[in-house]
Amino acid sequence: GAVVSQHPSRVICKSGTSVKIECRSLDFQATTMFWYRQFPKQSLMLMATSNEGSKATYEQGVEKDKFLINHASLTLSTLTVTSAHPEDSSFYICSAVAAGNQPQHFGDGTRLSIL
Amino acid sequence: AQSVTQLGSHVSVSEGALVLLRCNYSSSVPPYLFWYVQYPNQGLQLLLKYTTGATLVKGINGFEAEFKKSETSFHLTKPSAHMSDAAEYFCAVSEGGNTGKLIFGQGTTLQVKP
Repeated sequence: GAVVSQHPSRVICKSGTSVKIECRSLDFQATTMFWYRQFPKQSLMLMATSNEGSKATYEQGVEKDKFLINHASLTLSTLTVTSAHPEDSSFYICSAVAAGNQPQHFGDGTRLSIL
Repeated sequence: AQSVTQLGSHVSVSEGALVLLRCNYSSSVPPYLFWYVQYPNQGLQLLLKYTTGATLVKGINGFEAEFKKSETSFHLTKPSAHMSDAAEYFCAVSEGGNTGKLIFGQGTTLQVKP
């Protein structure tokens, strides 16, 4: 089946650091990738929609300069949390969609902890 | 605007008992409906989905859900709970078909007691 790999699975870093999270579709080409954020014991909140070769579409309230998204190829999207602060600590999950009206396939998430 | 409400943030059942997780949705167009399961520190795994056609949908691990338009519901059931079913379950709606963005409910934690 369709596999989405997310890396790293966990990252701990100091406040002010920028952190890059990768989302790869391993066995299919993803025309669209989504980035979600999940706080403890809460649901997933969509942050942005990323289409290959174009600018990401951010949801209301999400700072595009804070959360940089790049979707340079049909198998890779990256989320960079710039100048991260403790309030950015969260579980970030990506999903990828192949062409042909297929369902979203999710990565295993990245636990980001900012000290 | 579309929305999803999951009734009961926490459901506890005994092993072998019926599992019923409730989901109600709001959508201005015929929705696509999904149930996902999440194990600790992992992403989401698709259990089942409703698009069009048959309103009773069967998924993996013995789960099924029934789309009831008149009740705007998509409740998830499993006849007999297994210990391995303990997890977080999310109902989601999409107005953009399979590839549209998903709006998730707040999630239901399923506890299975031996």
